Amino acid sequence: SQKIEQNSEALNIQEGKTATLTCNYTNYSPAYLQWYRQDPGRGPVFLLLIRENEKEKRKERLKVTFDTTLKQSLFHITASQPADSATYLCAPNRDDKIIFGKGTRLHILP
Amino acid sequence: DAGITQSPRHKVTETGTPVTLRCHQTENHRYMYWYRQDPGHGLRLIHYSYGVKDTDKGEVSDGYSVSRSKTEDFLLTLESATSSQTSVYFCAISESRASGDHNEQFFGPGTRLTVL
Repeated sequence: SQKIEQNSEALNIQEGKTATLTCNYTNYSPAYLQWYRQDPGRGPVFLLLIRENEKEKRKERLKVTFDTTLKQSLFHITASQPADSATYLCAPNRDDKIIFGKGTRLHILP
Repeated sequence: DAGITQSPRHKVTETGTPVTLRCHQTENHRYMYWYRQDPGHGLRLIHYSYGVKDTDKGEVSDGYSVSRSKTEDFLLTLESATSSQTSVYFCAISESRASGDHNEQFFGPGTRLTVL
């Protein structure tokens, strides 16, 4: 069955450093991969989408890579800030459905 | 959360009772989804709709039914609520299918359901 794996442990990063989150998938060939941010008590919010034929996508301080050979996506936040603290979900997708990973909790320490 | 509302936002009910959750959108998006989110499981798709009266099952559809009689409304019904259905339920919408452009999902604020 399709499986999405994200860092299960919370990630603590010092303010100003780059945070890197990992998403690995198996038994799946997504055409797209999305990243979402979720704050406590709120619904997820879309951040970035990368297509299978794209290696890298950037948006302000965010960068996403997509390696279909490794079946992995990396999500980077540069110059991290305490306001970046949240849970980040990766979501590979194909056809009509999106499969969400369980998310990685990120804490940016001041 | 703009353009998507869920009702009720909180509900406590008893085992065996039917429950209906409502999702309403003002974006005129074609696709609507119902997810549940539980600790240790993340977001799991229950049912989704790709048009009025067109619905399909997700990975955890047992015990749930849906209906979409209008573009803007997507109802989730727990036919006979059980304690295992205690969860936070999120509705989401997207403009196009998951494999197409503009397929990012926009989520509602969630409904916290407790089944005693």
